[in-house]
Amino acid sequence: DQQVKQNSPSLSVQEGRISILNCDYTNSMFDYFLWYKKYPAEGPTFLISISSIKDKNEDGRFTVFLNKSAKHLSLHIVPSQPGDSAVYFCAASPRNSGYALNFGKGTSLLVTP
Amino acid sequence: DAGVTQSPTHLIKTRGQQVTLRCSPKSGHDTVSWYQQALGQGPQFIFQYYEEEERQRGNFPDRFSGHQFPNYSSELNVNALLLGDSALYLCASSPGGPRGSNQPQHFGDGTRLSIL
Repeated sequence: DQQVKQNSPSLSVQEGRISILNCDYTNSMFDYFLWYKKYPAEGPTFLISISSIKDKNEDGRFTVFLNKSAKHLSLHIVPSQPGDSAVYFCAASPRNSGYALNFGKGTSLLVTP
Repeated sequence: DAGVTQSPTHLIKTRGQQVTLRCSPKSGHDTVSWYQQALGQGPQFIFQYYEEEERQRGNFPDRFSGHQFPNYSSELNVNALLLGDSALYLCASSPGGPRGSNQPQHFGDGTRLSIL
């Protein structure tokens, strides 16, 4: 049973605009959440993370928001750039990011010039 | 500073055979995890090794086994290969320590395994 869900398989955004990628989870024991970006023929690359004690974390153009009551998190990319075109995976862990990660199926983001 | 390296890059096997995949963790990392990524899916956790022992295991059959060496490198072995084992196998490392940590896992580029 999929405990982490990314319901949008793909998203297309114009360069310079905001990209919003969404993720829902069902396991209330999840305590740590991460976003990874994956280019074809490469492994996933860590982007940003958030622990359950926070509701927002920023790193440059990337911001992750966590709504624990709704079991929902989102990744905002502002402004979006063509190099951001990749598959984005949401992942969650019941302890910390060093333990088993549960991944969603990914959202393919295309940023057009 | 080399990141996580995996070998081989690609592998073709037939049903019933056995395969061994290899992983060298990022320098300074002592914990290695293995994931299976089927086409169109997210990575699925297979198991994690710390101090040469399996610390955590996902929902995979006993045909999947592993090993960690004193230099922290790791192997994933799969016996009696099935067509459904065709996937990208990813290795990830982290500076876990005895209780893990909140340092993110770093992934290699994976081994693409095809079963004929």
